[in-house]
Amino acid sequence: SQQGEEDPQALSIQEGENATMNCSYKTSINNLQWYRQNSGRGLVHLILIRSNEREKHSGRLRVTLDTSKKSSSLLITASRAADTASYFCATGEGAQKLVFGQGTRLTINP
Amino acid sequence: DAGVIQSPRHEVTEMGQEVTLRCKPISGHDYLFWYRQTMMRGLELLIYFNNNVPIDDSGMPEDRFSAKMPNASFSTLKIQPSEPRDSAVYFCASGGAPSTYEQYFGPGTRLTVT
Repeated sequence: SQQGEEDPQALSIQEGENATMNCSYKTSINNLQWYRQNSGRGLVHLILIRSNEREKHSGRLRVTLDTSKKSSSLLITASRAADTASYFCATGEGAQKLVFGQGTRLTINP
Repeated sequence: DAGVIQSPRHEVTEMGQEVTLRCKPISGHDYLFWYRQTMMRGLELLIYFNNNVPIDDSGMPEDRFSAKMPNASFSTLKIQPSEPRDSAVYFCASGGAPSTYEQYFGPGTRLTVT
């Protein structure tokens, strides 16, 4: 069953611009994670935010979590062509099990 | 570490044949996950193991699917008999201790059943 739903489904921006992707979920969570998938590859873990955290940074990535609205956002600043990929949010309810959303397909145009 | 290793990377088989997918997790990881990814259904968790014991197999579609983990460094996902609707990319992922929730994915096996 799908827990996280990403918005938008697809996003196309110019290199150097910022990209924002959103994720909404339905049930209480322990943590929320973002993953990147390049075409034809496996998923790569980007960042994890726990339910008691509101914001987290990692390099050009910024993740926010609003548990009252059951939503999260991923901001990629100063985008590069290499950021072109699909981005997935995944929610964890405490055990190791994750439920992934359908993903946002991000295209960075040179 | 070489990361999660999966084999084969591509598999083409005829309907009715048995298919076995293999996975070697990252050394020291206690958790192993099998996922299936399709355009229609996205990424679905099929089953996961903790310390070689199956914990949750509620995502396994039907009895044609089975998974084993005979030791900490090897797992198989078997489909018998295979059907065209099983065509998908199958990923294996591994994860560490309970307090670290990140998962590390293999490159996947692209299965085509004709």
